[in-house]
Amino acid sequence: QKEVEQDPGPLSVPEGAIVSLNCTYSNSAFQYFMWYRQYSRKGPELLMYTYSSGNKEDGRFTAQVDKSSKYISLFIRDSQPSDSATYLCAMSPRNQGGKLIFGQGTELSVKP
Amino acid sequence: DSGVTQTPKHLITATGQRVTLRCSPRSGDLSVYWYQQSLDQGLQFLIQYYNGEERAKGNILERFSAQQFPDLHSELNLSSLELGDSALYFCASSPTPSAGAGDTQYFGPGTRLTVL
Repeated sequence: QKEVEQDPGPLSVPEGAIVSLNCTYSNSAFQYFMWYRQYSRKGPELLMYTYSSGNKEDGRFTAQVDKSSKYISLFIRDSQPSDSATYLCAMSPRNQGGKLIFGQGTELSVKP
Repeated sequence: DSGVTQTPKHLITATGQRVTLRCSPRSGDLSVYWYQQSLDQGLQFLIQYYNGEERAKGNILERFSAQQFPDLHSELNLSSLELGDSALYFCASSPTPSAGAGDTQYFGPGTRLTVL
């Protein structure tokens, strides 16, 4: 079983829809939680970062962490065609430098 | 543009060969990370160096090795290449040795390795 599980999709939604992306994890030592966005043939770029349970909002993006359920989510409101990309959740275990464990990634397509 | 540079962009080689991938971190970043991305395994952490010293290690194969030089650039050496080593190899950099608040890892554009 992988430490981080993420539904690979693909996910296709109409423009303006609310998108929900999710990851579950098994390692209680994870302390930091991130969402990266990766456009085709590019390197991943950080979207959201959080370390505590609860919600964190940044514009159209909301990251949610539930440590008791070992579950994190990313919500995208008013989705745009430019949001079409692969979204990867990432987690950092305690006392292992900057090591990140990534989910498989969810491929999102937003149709105009 | 993340500020992290990787060369070469593409590499095609044969099984059994050895290749070297190069990474220059963002100006001022002391940590360099190497990741491998393949369709079946996803994005996997290989190794981290901080200011020339190994800081963290993932499931890096013994055939793979890396180092960080005094000018902070890093090289990933892959030897005795197998078909299964075909993947995208990303380098990332950050200012500090740990993941933490504000310690973003910036990824380079990657090197696509094809082993024939």
